[in-house]
Amino acid sequence: GDKVKQSPSALSLQEGTNSALRCNFSIAATTVQWFLQNPRGSLINLFYLVPGTKENGRLKSAFDSKESYSTLHIRDAQLEDSGTYFCAAEGPNTNKVVFGTGTRLQVLP
Amino acid sequence: DAGVTQTPRHEVAEKGQTIILKCEPVSGHNDLFWYRQTKIQGLELLSYFRSKSLMEDGGAFKDRFKAEMLNSSFSTLKIQPTEPKDSAVYLCASSPWDRKYEQYFGPGTRLTVL
Repeated sequence: GDKVKQSPSALSLQEGTNSALRCNFSIAATTVQWFLQNPRGSLINLFYLVPGTKENGRLKSAFDSKESYSTLHIRDAQLEDSGTYFCAAEGPNTNKVVFGTGTRLQVLP
Repeated sequence: DAGVTQTPRHEVAEKGQTIILKCEPVSGHNDLFWYRQTKIQGLELLSYFRSKSLMEDGGAFKDRFKAEMLNSSFSTLKIQPTEPKDSAVYLCASSPWDRKYEQYFGPGTRLTVL
């Protein structure tokens, strides 16, 4: 948990607004993944990143390995975006991923 | 195509028992992952298989946890002996060989150890 810190821990958004979630790493992360766990408990893979950015619909993620952080931007938040967002980092020459403690997002109508 | 299947969905065990959780990956997927999720520790990787070979054994989980992939379409996670602190949701995921990080997750098995 301490090796990958997520912020904020919880967040409420009005539908249609934008927000950004962040992960800071104290390990030498080489890749980052972002997941969403929806309110029913199902885990969904959102992004896999090497240093750089990726975009998928209303979601955009960036990973800066030199500054040791990653962000997940949500544009035009919808009710179905509610859930807990996890980031996970993988270090060099290892298959072991370390997860953050999650950001619980609630999108309000 | 069927997604990742996990059985049982719920398991209650007495302390000291042996339990076996099962996972069937998406047909054709070569990579298989076992994770554990608890409120205190959060999500943790237990093991990772590529083409049935164990690539990551989760370090701290070695002593009482053993994951096996007997064939490309079936994996088990054995916990022996169980302890109350093993109470958690155990998740299985699989991914295609060329897209390791495109993981498809199963619904999980909720284990309660009394």
